[in-house]
Amino acid sequence: AQSVTQLGSHVSVSEGALVLLRCNYSSSVPPYLFWYVQYPNQGLQLLLKYTTGATLVKGINGFEAEFKKSETSFHLTKPSAHMSDAAEYFCAVNRGGSQGNLIFGKGTKLSVKP
Amino acid sequence: DTAVSQTPKYLVTQMGNDKSIKCEQNLGHDTMYWYKQDSKKFLKIMFSYNNKELIINETVPNRFSPKSPDKAHLNLHINSLELGDSAVYFCASSQGLLGGYTFGSGTRLTVV
Repeated sequence: AQSVTQLGSHVSVSEGALVLLRCNYSSSVPPYLFWYVQYPNQGLQLLLKYTTGATLVKGINGFEAEFKKSETSFHLTKPSAHMSDAAEYFCAVNRGGSQGNLIFGKGTKLSVKP
Repeated sequence: DTAVSQTPKYLVTQMGNDKSIKCEQNLGHDTMYWYKQDSKKFLKIMFSYNNKELIINETVPNRFSPKSPDKAHLNLHINSLELGDSAVYFCASSQGLLGGYTFGSGTRLTVV
């Protein structure tokens, strides 16, 4: 069965510092992996996705993630945090098969200090 | 134009009432979903419809009944509301597996 583990329910960084949000997955099939961001009182917005091909994926707002099969990881990074990056971040893996629904991690709340 | 729209945005109701949440997508996607987000932000799939056919029905009480009149709409009806139903309910849609989901802005349901 597919699952996602996000290490750290809360990450705090200073403005301008590196952002690193960790995600490990378990999947019995080649995974499709996603990162979503949720701003307060809003829905989830797709940041980036990995399906096949290049393992370094670039997304919106300067975020990127690298798929590492040997480590079953898909960590999200951004070189320099901005105050507007403060939000909840969710990693997700597809369930596989014909159903295709996403299984989400428990989320990581990112705080950015001035 | 909003891609996935849900109504209402907020819903406060008493225990025992019946309520509905509506969802519409104008993206031409063939699959729609309902997710429940609890107070700890955990997201869990409830239902999934593909071209009006139910394909996922997770362990959800029978009081919850989805209805898809066409592939652009997926409504959620909840009977006999309970305190534990209080949560944010998100509708989403997708076209296949590769595109990811497009989410609505959520419906915050509060049962008092």
